[in-house]
Amino acid sequence: DAKTTQPTSMDCAEGRAANLPCNHSTISGNEYVYWYRQIHSQGPQYIIHGLKNNETNEMASLIITEDRKSSTLILPHATLRDTAVYYCIVDAGGTSYGKLTFGQGTILTVHP
Amino acid sequence: GAVVSQHPSRVICKSGTSVKIECRSLDFQATTMFWYRQFPKQSLMLMATSNEGSKATYEQGVEKDKFLINHASLTLSTLTVTSAHPEDSSFYICSTAGGLDTQYFGPGTRLTVL
Repeated sequence: DAKTTQPTSMDCAEGRAANLPCNHSTISGNEYVYWYRQIHSQGPQYIIHGLKNNETNEMASLIITEDRKSSTLILPHATLRDTAVYYCIVDAGGTSYGKLTFGQGTILTVHP
Repeated sequence: GAVVSQHPSRVICKSGTSVKIECRSLDFQATTMFWYRQFPKQSLMLMATSNEGSKATYEQGVEKDKFLINHASLTLSTLTVTSAHPEDSSFYICSTAGGLDTQYFGPGTRLTVL
């Protein structure tokens, strides 16, 4: 699996957009970009994933660069409950049968 | 998405005893489930892949005789930590496929071995 690089930590003010970057310069053509988050002492929660096109759902938006070497997860209006560790993972062929390799992720702290 | 439960959520046991952790896929028939372990301030590490009706496959460095996995039905996988020791204290998390391209995780089980 391709390796990802994320900042160790980020801060965001409540109500503002949180933009979490991820570098995946060695991503293969068939690998998806996935984002999960883990709130303290809970299991990871799926957020969003994409292959080439930008994606949006009720939780977040995912912006993937044209060369696919980096992406940004956007939480449009961060709340205190969005404080968590955010993991960017690349995986081929869908994660249903693949092993997810978690890096250290980005600790996002949302301040009042 | 798929709903995954784990039981118990928290367990404390004495050194040398065995502990069973259940992972249930409540609304999805899962032929494959995954077991992860997470030590404090560290990321999740995959321990094993649980396959319904067949033997589990373990990651390098994970003792299959210590971490027994049984996946007897499409909705239940169990992880038994045999002869638990304090170094086995950790957060154990299972996951299951929830569709074409996603995995869904259980809430985790906090194991403390005294």
